[in-house]
Amino acid sequence: SQQGEEDPQALSIQEGENATMNCSYKTSINNLQWYRQNSGRGLVHLILIRSNEREKHSGRLRVTLDTSKKSSSLLITASRAADTASYFCATGLSGSARQLTFGSGTQLTVLP
Amino acid sequence: EAQVTQNPRYLITVTGKKLTVTCSQNMNHEYMSWYRQDPGLGLRQIYYSMNVEVTDKGDVPEGYKVSRKEKRNFPLILESPSPNQTSLYFCASSFEGLGSYGYTFGSGTRLTVV
Repeated sequence: SQQGEEDPQALSIQEGENATMNCSYKTSINNLQWYRQNSGRGLVHLILIRSNEREKHSGRLRVTLDTSKKSSSLLITASRAADTASYFCATGLSGSARQLTFGSGTQLTVLP
Repeated sequence: EAQVTQNPRYLITVTGKKLTVTCSQNMNHEYMSWYRQDPGLGLRQIYYSMNVEVTDKGDVPEGYKVSRKEKRNFPLILESPSPNQTSLYFCASSFEGLGSYGYTFGSGTRLTVV
């Protein structure tokens, strides 16, 4: 069953703009991860944020986590055409060995 | 290069003809998992393995089998494929199975059952 829900489902921006994607989830988590998938290819791990962290950075990526609202956001700054992909959040559930549970993804299109 | 290798990349088969999709990782990961990805349904876990000889069902195990005889390999077996198993399949591995580490995914196997 899907734990995370990404919002929006699709996002189209111009190159150089920032892109923000959101993820909401339902139950307590150990951590939340973001992945990128280029069309039909395997998912690539971007960043992991633990439940006791509020913000994390990696290059042009910034992830925030609000456990009280059960939500996370992924910000891509100064986007490039190469950032065009689907982005998924995945939650690691507390006490569960069945990791991970993925959302349905946000399709990001960066126009040159 | 650290990677998860799936084969084949594309496969067209007929209903009922047994097939195996292979998955191998070279990172000495303990945890391996199979997912299928369908439009509108996202990624759904089929089976996972916490270590050698330890496997368990995910959310959609019906019609699939797995085995983990060696740490590096985790094949997915469809004993009698049906058209509803037409999908994009991904194998993934991780250092351990409690979700504290990122997953490394294979490039995917696009299966069509006619």
